[in-house]
Amino acid sequence: EDQVTQSPEALRLQEGESSSLNCSYTVSGLRGLFWYRQDPGKGPEFLFTLYSAGEEKEKERLKATLTKKESFLHITAPKPEDSATYLCAVQGPYNQGGKLIFGQGTELSVKP
Amino acid sequence: EADIYQTPRYLVIGTGKKITLECSQTMGHDKMYWYQQDPGMELHLIHYSYGVNSTEKGDLSSESTVSRIRTEHFPLTLESARPSHTSQYLCASSEEGGGRHYEQYFGPGTRLTVT
Repeated sequence: EDQVTQSPEALRLQEGESSSLNCSYTVSGLRGLFWYRQDPGKGPEFLFTLYSAGEEKEKERLKATLTKKESFLHITAPKPEDSATYLCAVQGPYNQGGKLIFGQGTELSVKP
Repeated sequence: EADIYQTPRYLVIGTGKKITLECSQTMGHDKMYWYQQDPGMELHLIHYSYGVNSTEKGDLSSESTVSRIRTEHFPLTLESARPSHTSQYLCASSEEGGGRHYEQYFGPGTRLTVT
C-alpha cells in the first residue's frame, strides 16, 4: 500500500537558519511526488513535482530533491513569510483517478 | 495562479439539513477531486471525476454525493448533515495527458461545522 511519512512534524527556525524537511514514501511504482505549501485555513498551494530519482527543482529559497525512497525540501535562509505547513504527496495508481496520497505535513515556523 | 473557486468558505448548519458545497474551475481541466481534511491531519480523497458524467468514490468513506454535469462544475452534496461531517472540504482539479497525471490545483476550501 502506498504510504507517505513526513518528518519532523514541526520545525522552528530562526530567520536565516537553513534546514531540510523529509518525506519518506513507499509506492509500488513512483508516478509523481508533489510538494505543497498550506497556510492556515487555506487550500494547498502547489510548489513542485518530481518524477524520477535524482531530479531536483528550485523556487526562490526552496529546493526539492528526490531519491528512490525519500524526498527533501531544503529551505535556504528562510524568512518569516515561509512559515506554513509543507505537505508531501505521491500519486496513486492511474486507475484510481490519479489520487494524491498525502503525508501529515511539517509545520514550519520561522521567527525573525 | 490556479483559478478554482469554492463557496461558501465557511458554513455553520444544524443537524439534518441538506447542504451543497460548490466548486468551479476555469482551467478546462477534465479531472476534479474532493478531499476532506481534519485539523492537523492529512487530506483524504472522498470523490473524484474523470470528466462529465463520470464520478467515483475515493478512499475515505463518505455519506456525501457528487455530480459532474459540466466540465467546470463539481458540487458535493450532503443530504442530511451530521456533527461527524464537521471538517474542511477541499476541491481540486488537474489536467491529464500522455498517460500521466499532473499536479492538482486546490481551491480555498469550505470549513463546515454541523451543530
